[in-house]
Amino acid sequence: DQQVKQNSPSLSVQEGRISILNCDYTNSMFDYFLWYKKYPAEGPTFLISISSIKDKNEDGRFTVFLNKSAKHLSLHIVPSQPGDSAVYFCAASETGTASKLTFGTGTRLQVTL
Amino acid sequence: DTAVSQTPKYLVTQMGNDKSIKCEQNLGHDTMYWYKQDSKKFLKIMFSYNNKELIINETVPNRFSPKSPDKAHLNLHINSLELGDSAVYFCASSHTETQYFGPGTRLLVL
Repeated sequence: DQQVKQNSPSLSVQEGRISILNCDYTNSMFDYFLWYKKYPAEGPTFLISISSIKDKNEDGRFTVFLNKSAKHLSLHIVPSQPGDSAVYFCAASETGTASKLTFGTGTRLQVTL
Repeated sequence: DTAVSQTPKYLVTQMGNDKSIKCEQNLGHDTMYWYKQDSKKFLKIMFSYNNKELIINETVPNRFSPKSPDKAHLNLHINSLELGDSAVYFCASSHTETQYFGPGTRLLVL
């Protein structure tokens, strides 16, 4: 029973354009959401997060949008750069569960020149 | 200056052996975790310790035993290794909701 889903296993975007990565969740108790970026043979690196009391959080080129009614979040990267090519994981947690993160299966982003 | 470090990075061993993976964090965090990434690249939590106390224990076989000698260390000992234990094991630590991950230990059981 996968509670966090990333339905697009891969995405290819041209350099300079916007990358939009999507994530859906089923557990309505989730109230904190994170995006991690992962390069091959490395651990996931924290990118950006959002609490359920907000619907948008921005950090430089990265913006995360949360639509609680649709149980959907998305990560926007503008402008996309070749160094952004990696696997992006969406994760969710529920307050009071000792920060147990539930991960999606990841989306591989390829930024082409 | 590595924040979360793991040793070894690679581990190749025979079925039936016992092995340990070590994790250390220098971030001053109270909580540490072990995650397993299987062949389908799915990251799933195994254990979590807060101030050396076990707080999360997912449905993991008894052959896996975490040990936290102090707040900065969380080791994972695996007895009687099986082929299905082959995976990448990630350690993580946190102070708030955001978790910071180590580079992973790639375990291959032959």
